[in-house]
Amino acid sequence: EVQLVQSGAEVKKPGESLKISCKGSGYSFTNYWIGWVRQMPGKGLEWLGIINPGDSDTRYSPSLQGQVTISADKSINTAYLHWSSLKASDTAMYYCARRGYSESDGLDSWGQGTLVTVSS
Amino acid sequence: SYELTQPPSVSLSPGQTARIPCSGDALPKRYASWYQKKPGQAPLLLIYKNNERPSGIPERFSGSRLGTAVTLTISGLQAEDEADYYCQSTDSSETVVFGGGTKLTVL
Repeated sequence: EVQLVQSGAEVKKPGESLKISCKGSGYSFTNYWIGWVRQMPGKGLEWLGIINPGDSDTRYSPSLQGQVTISADKSINTAYLHWSSLKASDTAMYYCARRGYSESDGLDSWGQGTLVTVSS
Repeated sequence: SYELTQPPSVSLSPGQTARIPCSGDALPKRYASWYQKKPGQAPLLLIYKNNERPSGIPERFSGSRLGTAVTLTISGLQAEDEADYYCQSTDSSETVVFGGGTKLTVL
């Protein structure tokens, strides 16, 4: 069974750094891209970017590039989303998702979500 | 930047058929997917490649494309279908784009 398990909820202060994780199991982790999606309170789904865990090729949403960093460690089947300096506006639910074999196959498996709260 | 446009809300009664449209200029050339999002749950892939259903998704859910629009059709509406529905496609640089979402209310 394909599973993506994300790290737990985080409460942080503005300016702090944070790295959340997404561990894949039940499939060949390096054969599928992993994407990150956020949902801000009361808002819709928003694309952040995607990484190929096999070679760490990473693509970011143009509107969000520079605000987050996506990485992966294929030795432990885990992808990451990292902030160097959080802002209150980063408060959101963050999901990782496995992209199907090609970009037309959609995001076929999702993590359970990680709630990030940034507040002073 | 590329946009996908969906109606904010649709309200129907149990047993009826819901048709949720999503429009975008690149849809004639790019495949679309659809997701169901319920509160407190992760999104669920319902449709990919405009009209393909992943295993485990009921036949009540179907997708179609005509010109610059794709449509998610849910037949025989049930109370459990009440959710937000999002279309998704990619732009010319293969960046993923989501529609704004449609809130389906089953009265």
